[in-house]
Amino acid sequence: DAKTTQPPSMDCAEGRAANLPCNHSTISGNEYVYWYRQIHSQGPQYIIHGLKNNETNEMASLIITEDRKSSTLILPHATLRDTAVYYCIVRASNYGQNFVFGPGTRLSVLP
Amino acid sequence: EAGVVQSPRYKIIEKKQPVAFWCNPISGHNTLYWYRQNLGQGPELLIRYENEEAVDDSQLPKDRFSAERLKGVDSTLKIQPAELGDSAVYLCASSLLQGSHEQFFGPGTRLTVL
Repeated sequence: DAKTTQPPSMDCAEGRAANLPCNHSTISGNEYVYWYRQIHSQGPQYIIHGLKNNETNEMASLIITEDRKSSTLILPHATLRDTAVYYCIVRASNYGQNFVFGPGTRLSVLP
Repeated sequence: EAGVVQSPRYKIIEKKQPVAFWCNPISGHNTLYWYRQNLGQGPELLIRYENEEAVDDSQLPKDRFSAERLKGVDSTLKIQPAELGDSAVYLCASSLLQGSHEQFFGPGTRLTVL
């Protein structure tokens, strides 16, 4: 079973920031938080990951709370092409650990 | 750089027929994954290869599913015989190493069993 909880769906206006929450209250100290997204009819695409600190790359920012029990993915200026299902996953760095995908959050960016 | 290639993109078969899916991972990626994705759900891992060895096939229904990765490059996933419940998207992914943070996914094969 997935170790994360996400809202099933969210809307965001084009050009505004999209903030996608994720709860992972049982996260262990060696588990990273990952975000992937899946655009319709495509395979999932890696977005970003983090352990403790906030992270930013060209696609998004990841904010992890100090107790690491929740995180937020931020798309600073959402476009229509960001409409997708977003998956939040926690996974340890140990050998043999696999990604376990939940149902994710369906983000709809509206014009 | 070419991404993960899968074929066919779509397949429609009748139940009890066999079907095979092919995957060519990104060059140099040692780890290859097959996932199954049912409608409205996230992908579920079926099998993971490291080079030519299947190191995790615990979720593969072995009575009807089989997979191989000859020479540690291309891989084939087979279902024989297919059942109605096998209708899903079958995704192939690869990563440089097993613990890599980023997996690269192909576009998937959408299987419909009638």
